[in-house]
Amino acid sequence: AQSVTQPDIHITVSEGASLELRCNYSYGATPYLFWYVQSPGQGLQLLLKYFSGDTLVQGIKGFEAEFKRSQSSFNLRKPSVHWSDAAEYFCASKIIFGSGTRLSIRP
Amino acid sequence: DSGVTQTPKHLITATGQRVTLRCSPRSGDLSVYWYQQSLDQGLQFLIQYYNGEERAKGNILERFSAQQFPDLHSELNLSSLELGDSALYFCASSVNPPGAGDTQYFGPGTRLTVL
Repeated sequence: AQSVTQPDIHITVSEGASLELRCNYSYGATPYLFWYVQSPGQGLQLLLKYFSGDTLVQGIKGFEAEFKRSQSSFNLRKPSVHWSDAAEYFCASKIIFGSGTRLSIRP
Repeated sequence: DSGVTQTPKHLITATGQRVTLRCSPRSGDLSVYWYQQSLDQGLQFLIQYYNGEERAKGNILERFSAQQFPDLHSELNLSSLELGDSALYFCASSVNPPGAGDTQYFGPGTRLTVL
């Protein structure tokens, strides 16, 4: 069965530090991968998506993600985090969502 | 603002009751998805409609039902409510039919509390 795994439940990084959130998927065909962000009490906002083509995709708010088929991964990265990036991040493949990673920012 | 609207924003009710959650998709979107987000289950896909027809079903209980109307808005009906049904219910919409690589746009959600 198709699955999406986010191994990190909670990550804390210092403001200005780099960030990488991990996502692994299990799917035979083109996975159609997404990253969403959810602030407390809010809906999900799309950060970026990968359907095909260039494996490094750029998103909003300075985020990027790299699709690696050999590792079944689609990790989200940001070179320098801001306090406003504190939120819950979800990786998804179509309608299958990972369990989320909560990001806290240390001042 | 995604363009997807959901009403009501909050709903508090008692066990055994029935409620209806409403979703209006983005203009031009034909697909509507419903999700349940709870602390213990995470974000779970419930059901999808495309242009009025049910197209995919996920972990939706028999006590729950949904429909998409000719004007493309959708309603999720939850009956015989239990404490465990307390959750955030999200609606999302997209342009394409199921199976296509499509982007879903999420509404702000309805927070259901069952007392």
